[in-house]
Amino acid sequence: GAGVSQSPSNKVTEKGKDVELRCDPISGHTALYWYRQSLGQGLEFLIYFQGNSAPDKSGLPSDRFSAERTGGSVSTLTIQRTQQEDSAVYLCASSRGSTAWGGTIYFGEGSWLTVV
Amino acid sequence: AQTVTQSQPEMSVQEAETVTLSCTYDTSENNYYLFWYKQPPSRQMILVIRQEAYKQQNATENRFSVNFQKAAKSFSLKISDSQLGDTAMYFCAFREETSGSRLTFGEGTQLTVNP
Repeated sequence: GAGVSQSPSNKVTEKGKDVELRCDPISGHTALYWYRQSLGQGLEFLIYFQGNSAPDKSGLPSDRFSAERTGGSVSTLTIQRTQQEDSAVYLCASSRGSTAWGGTIYFGEGSWLTVV
Repeated sequence: AQTVTQSQPEMSVQEAETVTLSCTYDTSENNYYLFWYKQPPSRQMILVIRQEAYKQQNATENRFSVNFQKAAKSFSLKISDSQLGDTAMYFCAFREETSGSRLTFGEGTQLTVNP
């Protein structure tokens, strides 16, 4: 597709369950980002992948959160043993490269996670 | 630490009028990039306008323009001839040239354009 694609669009899960959120970046984009947006708040950086480099995981809030990117394209964000405070919109974004100017960041529509 | 502050949680404007959204930021870097993103109810973040810190000329994109004051670390967004479709949450964002990876976002300003 032409844009960043995320699935599922909405997910309701029970507390304690694991969830996986998927992101398919724009073709040819080497950089991929995950952000979290809690209700009424700004975006919180989670993790960043750039090519074959080690990901920048400095934004992950706990060890229950992990992400991988297979083949330099699709990424999966996994939240284990979900808690109610994990309820948020998880936004994925991609850009052409790591350089700030050449890499304008394009966002997907997000996955809305609700933990009940 | 980088911080971005948007002091106006909500704003409203009449259709066809002009509105200015405020943003200030804090950094010790000299080279960086500033962005305004729009988030309509569809949730998708849409880039509105961007500014390189080393450029003195303010960026413009059709009805959108910025007032970039580097010394004051201020980056406001002006929307001229407001349209109903401009109703959205607007986020100011900052990205250092050296860090390369992350955008730091402000808390957002909810703009409502009234008919």
